[in-house]
Amino acid sequence: LAKTTQPISMDSYEGQEVNITCSHNNIATNDYITWYQQFPSQGPRFIIQGYKTKVTNEVASLFIPADRKSSTLSLPRVSLSDTAVYYCLVGGNAGNMLTFGGGTRLMVKP
Amino acid sequence: DAGVIQSPRHEVTEMGQEVTLRCKPISGHDYLFWYRQTMMRGLELLIYFNNNVPIDDSGMPEDRFSAKMPNASFSTLKIQPSEPRDSAVYFCASSPHWGLAGSSYNEQFFGPGTRLTVL
Repeated sequence: LAKTTQPISMDSYEGQEVNITCSHNNIATNDYITWYQQFPSQGPRFIIQGYKTKVTNEVASLFIPADRKSSTLSLPRVSLSDTAVYYCLVGGNAGNMLTFGGGTRLMVKP
Repeated sequence: DAGVIQSPRHEVTEMGQEVTLRCKPISGHDYLFWYRQTMMRGLELLIYFNNNVPIDDSGMPEDRFSAKMPNASFSTLKIQPSEPRDSAVYFCASSPHWGLAGSSYNEQFFGPGTRLTVL
């Protein structure tokens, strides 16, 4: 299973753009890159998924370079409610399961 | 849909007792996953089912743990006998599809979790 590395924690302020980068050097050809968000006392929640280049939805963007060995989750104009743990995962294709790493604890300050 | 439902939300038991955690996946979802989350080990996949059949149980820590899915709308995770080190939050998740070649999204929908404390 592909191993991911991401910062343990990040701080930001309301209204700023936050970029969280994840390294996955041994990503397999068929692996997707997925990001989840988890609030205290809740289960993780899907944010975004991509395979290559850029993916954007109503809450975030995901940037994936050509070599796919890393990815960056971009949260535009964060608010206090974006304070959470963000997990980067790779896998999810052809029965390859996802492995949750330690996640990045994002603290948004007023 | 009410989402993934788990019960109980909290469970406190004594070492040696049997513990049964329950999960109702989202209707129509073919995949069901059981996870365990602790501060030390993070979120670990224990087992997952496809169409009620266990596919991969390599994450189950030991024989004290067992999981069943008798039908498409119900699954249980049982610990017998329980030990203090089993204390954790146990999550159930379901997915409409998984790992299909070319599928755009492999989203898992998580339940609220069961917080288990074994004294």
